[in-house]
Amino acid sequence: DQQVKQNSPSLSVQEGRISILNCDYTNSMFDYFLWYKKYPAEGPTFLISISSIKDKNEDGRFTVFLNKSAKHLSLHIVPSQPGDSAVYFCAARGSNYKLTFGKGTLLTVNP
Amino acid sequence: NAGVTQTPKFQVLKTGQSMTLQCAQDMNHNSMYWYRQDPGMGLRLIYYSASEGTTDKGEVPNGYNVSRLNKREFSLRLESAAPSQTSVYFCASSETLERRYTFGSGTRLTVV
Repeated sequence: DQQVKQNSPSLSVQEGRISILNCDYTNSMFDYFLWYKKYPAEGPTFLISISSIKDKNEDGRFTVFLNKSAKHLSLHIVPSQPGDSAVYFCAARGSNYKLTFGKGTLLTVNP
Repeated sequence: NAGVTQTPKFQVLKTGQSMTLQCAQDMNHNSMYWYRQDPGMGLRLIYYSASEGTTDKGEVPNGYNVSRLNKREFSLRLESAAPSQTSVYFCASSETLERRYTFGSGTRLTVV
């Protein structure tokens, strides 16, 4: 049973536009959510996170929104840049502190 | 700033062979993890070590063993490799279990 779902395997946007990556979860015990970014042949790198007590966290061009009632979070990138092209993983932390990852969404930003 | 170092980067094994994937971190982190990444499956936790001297199973531990050799090093062993273990393996570490992870660059393993 997938507890963290990223239903869009891929997303393509134009440079300068907004990219919105979505993530749904099923476990209401998750208390912390993270986004990781992964380039080919590299390990994932931390991008941004949000605690379950907040509904928004912003860091430069990146904003994560959390809707607890819908068990949904999204990552907004604005404006999108070609260097943002990567796989984005949503992850959630449970009561045992371990992270559960989604399958990832491949973002392609076209110049 | 080495961070998390994994060796080797690539490996081809024959079915039934054994090997150990090495991972070392230089950030004085307490917790270390092994994940595998398969197409369409995301990252799945194999084993983790919350602190030196402890190891615990993750989501997909079958066919693997781990050793937390010291605070810096956490190795993953495949005793009898199977084609189903063909994957990209990532080691990660964190200051504590609740802190964010730093990942290594991965080991691409092919079992034929």
